[in-house]
Amino acid sequence: QKEVEQDPGPLSVPEGAIVSLNCTYSNSAFQYFMWYRQYSRKGPELLMYTYSSGNKEDGRFTAQVDKSSKYISLFIRDSQPSDSATYLCAMRDFGNEKLTFGTGTRLTIIP
Amino acid sequence: EAEVAQSPRYKITEKSQAVAFWCDPISGHATLYWYRQILGQGPELLVQFQDESVVDDSQLPKDRFSAERLKGVDSTLKIQPAELGDSAMYLCASRTGSNTEAFFGQGTRLTVV
Repeated sequence: QKEVEQDPGPLSVPEGAIVSLNCTYSNSAFQYFMWYRQYSRKGPELLMYTYSSGNKEDGRFTAQVDKSSKYISLFIRDSQPSDSATYLCAMRDFGNEKLTFGTGTRLTIIP
Repeated sequence: EAEVAQSPRYKITEKSQAVAFWCDPISGHATLYWYRQILGQGPELLVQFQDESVVDDSQLPKDRFSAERLKGVDSTLKIQPAELGDSAMYLCASRTGSNTEAFFGQGTRLTVV
């Protein structure tokens, strides 16, 4: 079993819809949680960075962390065609600077 | 805006040949990572540097891969000899220190034929 599980999709939604992306993990030591967006043939771009449990909002993006359930989510409101990309969750523990990634979810927003 | 620079962007090489990738991290970033991303998968760590020292190379196939960061700034990742299974995106990332996020470069897409 992988330390971080993420549904690879693909996921297609109409423009304007709310998108929910999720990851589960098994390592209870993970403290830092990140979401990266990766366009085709590009490097990952950091979207959200959170520490421990709770919510964080940045514009149309909201990240949620539930450490008791070992479950993290990224919500995208008012989705746009430019949001079409692969979304990678990543996490690490306090003493270890190595990022552990999910496989990524490929998202397509249909105009 | 500061960014992590990588070159080349694309590389095609024949099996058994040597290949090298270069990374210049964001200025002042002491921590540098090399990740490998196979198509359809998430990035996996190959090697981590803190300044010029290797912190973690446990996943680096040392019989064919080598990495260096001689002056604690830019870094080179080498593969010799390349194998078909090495075809992937090689990503470099850097961060300034603890409790900060890592920033990735655009990657080098390697195709071994």
